[in-house]
Amino acid sequence: QVQLLESGPGLVRPSETLSLTCTVSGASISSYFWSWVRQPAGKGPEWIGRLYTSGSSNYNPSLYSRVSSSIDTSNNRFSLNLRSVTAADTAVYYCARGPKVGTSDYSFFYMDVWGKGTTVTVSS
Amino acid sequence: DIQMTQSPSSLSASVGDRVTITCRASQYISNYLNWYQQKPGKAPTLLIYAASSLQSGVPSRFTGSGSQTDFTLTISSLQPEDFAVYYCQQTYTGPQTFGPGTKVDIK
Repeated sequence: QVQLLESGPGLVRPSETLSLTCTVSGASISSYFWSWVRQPAGKGPEWIGRLYTSGSSNYNPSLYSRVSSSIDTSNNRFSLNLRSVTAADTAVYYCARGPKVGTSDYSFFYMDVWGKGTTVTVSS
Repeated sequence: DIQMTQSPSSLSASVGDRVTITCRASQYISNYLNWYQQKPGKAPTLLIYAASSLQSGVPSRFTGSGSQTDFTLTISSLQPEDFAVYYCQQTYTGPQTFGPGTKVDIK
């Protein structure tokens, strides 16, 4: 069964870069969309962005100037970098799998497998 | 960005009740609407995609309906494990956006 595991520092200083990795096990990372979602305490989820194994990506315009991501097919993992963080970036960060490319419903971009989430606090 | 609203924001119900949650988009989204369930301290789980398609492994008591701007999630007979927060999400255009959630708790 497919499992996703987020990893990275739980505390990041203001103005620094938040870096997270999502390791995929139980399935190949190829041919799927992969997403990052965050959720501040007590609030709804916020979509950060989506990437594909070709390297193409889409990001939330509200974060576009600060975010980047990459995919490492050799090690079955993908990563997120969020620059110049502030307290407003404090949240639980999730990685998630999107639909398989080429299937009849892939354009609905649902997220069917999620990691457990990792809490990131931005504080000095 | 497309704004999603949900009603009610919370509801209290008993085991066996029929529960209906409504989600509305600020503009046309066809059927690009997904529903998730989230329990405390856990990641969201996918229930319904494409407005009415039941995700594999999800009990058939969950049904989704609607199109264009108005959507509904119905739980036909509420079970103890269904007490959670439910979110709708649009993926039609622009950044994917989630609704604010509907909390279903025990009456």
